[in-house]
Amino acid sequence: DAGVIQSPRHEVTEMGQEVTLRCKPISGHNSLFWYRQTMMRGLELLIYFNNNVPIDDSGMPEDRFSAKMPNASFSTLKIQPSEPRDSAVYFCASSNGFRGGAHEQFFGPGTRLTVL
Amino acid sequence: SQQGEEDPQALSIQEGENATMNCSYKTSINNLQWYRQNSGRGLVHLILIRSNEREKHSGRLRVTLDTSKKSSSLLITASRAADTASYFCATVIIQGAQKLVFGQGTRLTINP
Repeated sequence: DAGVIQSPRHEVTEMGQEVTLRCKPISGHNSLFWYRQTMMRGLELLIYFNNNVPIDDSGMPEDRFSAKMPNASFSTLKIQPSEPRDSAVYFCASSNGFRGGAHEQFFGPGTRLTVL
Repeated sequence: SQQGEEDPQALSIQEGENATMNCSYKTSINNLQWYRQNSGRGLVHLILIRSNEREKHSGRLRVTLDTSKKSSSLLITASRAADTASYFCATVIIQGAQKLVFGQGTRLTINP
């Protein structure tokens, strides 16, 4: 199995631009998670989906962030407009089981986002 | 506030020694998981211990869980240079959505 795939691996953009991060979970997994990691705040859960449905988006910082999962094999995290404080590493993870995040999670390699 | 907090924040030992990292949490949990993160990489799941378990082993890893003290420890025996990484505990709380809440991690350095 190829594992969780994220693209791009690195993104440098200017403040105000739209940023779209992409994730392909492991085939057969029914839960998908978006995390953000910074030195100051550590690893934070932004949103998670179960069977393509958003279950908990309480970690999404503000309306500038949105996430979609149109099908079981693809998800996007969009930031519009981006700000320098959004600079972080964004991870996507997936898991399989009937209890959402209670199971072992498999992480992608992350997208390092820099907003100038 | 963080659900899980690791202690120490950083640990440096000689190759071959044992490394012990601790994790404390605040609310009742469903399970507790330990993950490793190498520099610049994603997290890798190491071990999951359920709330009704007290100890679990996986290779050179030993995890304990004390629900009365709301704490867990991860022991790595006979450390190797390749064990150099950050180690995170993550808890799944009983109430609400089933999601992982990560601590800030322990940065482990194994000196050859």
